[in-house]
Amino acid sequence: QQQVKQSPQSLIVQKGGIPIINCAYENTAFDYFPWYQQFPGKGPALLIAIRPDVSEKKEGRFTISFNKSAKQFSLHIMDSQPGDSATYFCAATIGGATNKLIFGTGTLLAVQP
Amino acid sequence: GAGVSQTPSNKVTEKGKYVELRCDPISGHTALYWYRQSLGQGPEFLIYFQGTGAADDSGLPNDRFFAVRPEGSVSTLKIQRTERGDSAVYLCASSLTGTVSYEQYFGPGTRLTVT
Repeated sequence: QQQVKQSPQSLIVQKGGIPIINCAYENTAFDYFPWYQQFPGKGPALLIAIRPDVSEKKEGRFTISFNKSAKQFSLHIMDSQPGDSATYFCAATIGGATNKLIFGTGTLLAVQP
Repeated sequence: GAGVSQTPSNKVTEKGKYVELRCDPISGHTALYWYRQSLGQGPEFLIYFQGTGAADDSGLPNDRFFAVRPEGSVSTLKIQRTERGDSAVYLCASSLTGTVSYEQYFGPGTRLTVT
């Protein structure tokens, strides 16, 4: 019940395309859903985050869509660029005592020029 | 300002040896987290400190793993009798407080290889 399932494992798109990464969770107590971007040799960096009372959040070229009833959320990257090539992780947490993050398994995105 | 720093960046040790991994959080951040990232996987939570105390150590895999944060700033993750299965990248993160309103900032990690 603590798992966050992420798909696809890897994704290749052309420059300007819109990659979509999907995540699903079981624990309805989760109340904060961040997405992290990780480049090789670096730690994850927060990209965008959403709470379950909102169905969509947009920041620049990054959009999270959230479906509370289906317990699913997804990341869309508009007008993708080669510099977006990285590994993307969805995560979830329960607000309260610790805020420990439960991460998905990651999606390796390659944006071809 | 300076981000989260971790030392060493790489550590190679022999099976059975003891290792210490250090984390310097962002100044003023009271919450500190350790995660472990195996190859091709997402980070897995190990332990959370609020100030000097370990508020949640539910992710530590066994009693060979221990972490301290004696002055509420720098933290050290200690692994005794290392095993090959301990090989992974150990990530440290800090946040202003341990609440969902505050972003967790990750360090670059320490890559531990146990031979």
